[in-house]
Amino acid sequence: QSVLTQPPSVSAAPGQKVSISCSGSSTNIEHNYVSWYQHFPGSAPKLLIYDNNKRPSGIPDRFSGSKSGTSATLDITGLQTGDEADYYCGTWESLLSGVIFGGGTKLTVL
Amino acid sequence: EVQLVESGGGLVQPGRSLRLSCAASGFTFDDFAMHWVRQPPGKGLEWVSGISWNSGTIRYADSVKGRFTISRDNAKNSLYLQMNSLRAEDMALYYCVRSGYYYLAQFYFDSWGQGTLVTVSS
Repeated sequence: QSVLTQPPSVSAAPGQKVSISCSGSSTNIEHNYVSWYQHFPGSAPKLLIYDNNKRPSGIPDRFSGSKSGTSATLDITGLQTGDEADYYCGTWESLLSGVIFGGGTKLTVL
Repeated sequence: EVQLVESGGGLVQPGRSLRLSCAASGFTFDDFAMHWVRQPPGKGLEWVSGISWNSGTIRYADSVKGRFTISRDNAKNSLYLQMNSLRAEDMALYYCVRSGYYYLAQFYFDSWGQGTLVTVSS
């Protein structure tokens, strides 16, 4: 069982917006940066968002991240069928002195 | 271009050892902390271990502590993971990952290798 809680799946129609939540605690999300990863099965995961809300170069602004208290959110607007993938949040866990990931969310674009 | 190429995976019996290697290129290796992340079949991402730029700070997931050892050789631009006393639950695709920070207490994984598969079975 992951320390960070994500919904197992989310879905929306092409062109719509979807939000993926990542719930943690005061020992992880609240005082540490959150990053988000997109993972297509068979490929290496890809960094989408780092330091809560920053996008690496090459990531479209359809992807955005935010954090409030012990939770973080990844928003994807203008959904495309090519966005169908697994999405993971990650942060530092101060109690364990290590990295933790959420359980992952499978995005389906209907 | 940043490249991370893992090697050393394979089929191993429970209780035996395996050493993974990661050859890094395209960046100044000793400017970055490095990590190993794994994905068991059908499951999500799991962090295994991390090492700071100068090997001064090392951390492990509880599931591998005492059995796995991470190390790096900055002169050879290489990262290693010595895995001892392997168990069935260690079976996974192991990724070599670069952190955007040189220390461990914060991170983001901006570059990933393609992974090397470790199969633990008798």
